Amino acid sequence: QVQLVESGGGVVQPGRSLRLSCAASGFTFRDYAMHWVRQAPGKGLEWVAVIWSDGTKAYYADSVKGRFTVSRDNFQNTLYLQLNSLRAEDTALYYCARHWARANDYWGQGTLVTVSS
Amino acid sequence: DIVMTQTPLSSPVTLGQPASISCRSSQSLVHSDGNTYLSWLQQRPGQPPRLLIYKISNRLSGVPDRFSGSGAGTDFTLKISRVEAEDVGVYYCMQAIQFPITFGQGTRLEIK
Repeated sequence: QVQLVESGGGVVQPGRSLRLSCAASGFTFRDYAMHWVRQAPGKGLEWVAVIWSDGTKAYYADSVKGRFTVSRDNFQNTLYLQLNSLRAEDTALYYCARHWARANDYWGQGTLVTVSS
Repeated sequence: DIVMTQTPLSSPVTLGQPASISCRSSQSLVHSDGNTYLSWLQQRPGQPPRLLIYKISNRLSGVPDRFSGSGAGTDFTLKISRVEAEDVGVYYCMQAIQFPITFGQGTRLEIK
């Protein structure tokens, strides 16, 4: 069965960096584009980034452009999100999700990033 | 960016009764390929989002048939024919016709 497991979250000071991972299993990872979506505590969903199945293209929300970088390793079946220059407003639960039919059919459980001094 | 507006933001419903959530987009979600990329997600308390419906009205495998989606262009609706206790949570519409992908604010479904 399809599984997406995020990791790498934690408490980090403003201005610092963090790298999130999303380990995929149960499907042919290299065939699917992948997304990151975040959810601030008690708030709604905010799309963060997408990366094409072959890793050649990526798009970002304006709120993270220039600070976050999405990448993937199709041999290790892993999706990454590098978070730099973190701000308090980046505090959120970060989900990875599989792209399918221009929707997100599978989601991980999320990893929590807290930016605080 | 495409703005997605949901109404109502909160919906108290009696068990066994129908519920309806509306979603309006600030521009048409009809893609040049002829498809309309509007989907609905459910987020139960403490859980990640779950895709219910894609391309307006297609139910994902395993989604109960009491959930249905309809609409066209910029106006869309999610209907639950008879609300069950497990339907409690927040429902989001989402557009994927262009980046950035955007979500509605969410509609909280609760039992009266």
